[in-house]
Amino acid sequence: DADVTQTPRNRITKTGKRIMLECSQTKGHDRMYWYRQDPGLGLRLIYYSFDVKDINKGEISDGYSVSRQAQAKFSLSLESAIPNQTALYFCATSADKYYGYTFGSGTRLTVV
Amino acid sequence: AQTVTQSQPEMSVQEAETVTLSCTYDTSESDYYLFWYKQPPSRQMILVIRQEAYKQQNATENRFSVNFQKAAKSFSLKISDSQLGDAAMYFCAYSPGGGADGLTFGKGTHLIIQP
Repeated sequence: DADVTQTPRNRITKTGKRIMLECSQTKGHDRMYWYRQDPGLGLRLIYYSFDVKDINKGEISDGYSVSRQAQAKFSLSLESAIPNQTALYFCATSADKYYGYTFGSGTRLTVV
Repeated sequence: AQTVTQSQPEMSVQEAETVTLSCTYDTSESDYYLFWYKQPPSRQMILVIRQEAYKQQNATENRFSVNFQKAAKSFSLKISDSQLGDAAMYFCAYSPGGGADGLTFGKGTHLIIQP
């Protein structure tokens, strides 16, 4: 099994729908992150969490919310999806900044 | 806020040759970390190499090495003996060393390997 698992892998949803992207990890890392990738823009940080009680906004948190249900689980929600939230979403974990980040395989979300 | 700039949207190199990807960054901090990530068509993000700002020595991982110029805020990636499997998007990324967290990415360089 992958160290960082994201579900679903692909999803098409309609404008205005609520959607949740899920992430689970077996690395035992405390730090978890959600990024968004758009063509030509690289990856941008949405939210990050140091532990269950510590959630922090990233560069582009508007329109998103997160929940850290356990050390191993970190979900991203779009309360009312809009077409410009169409993107590739990555979850990542880290034990320490020096060692870098382990990424999941991404969720491609299309909002129509 | 920190910014990371990759000025080469696309690069092409012949198989077995050497190629250098450029990255510059802007920060007022003295303690930070720099990374290069590879994203092949499978879309997986793969860590290629990392560098601590307080280390003078340039990092090396097999065929991959960096040229870290702290004063110039430059962090280029050199790939030696390029292989077809090196074809991918390459992202330069910055991480602050203090309490803040998360990576700031450049927009990426698409590397093409010509057989």
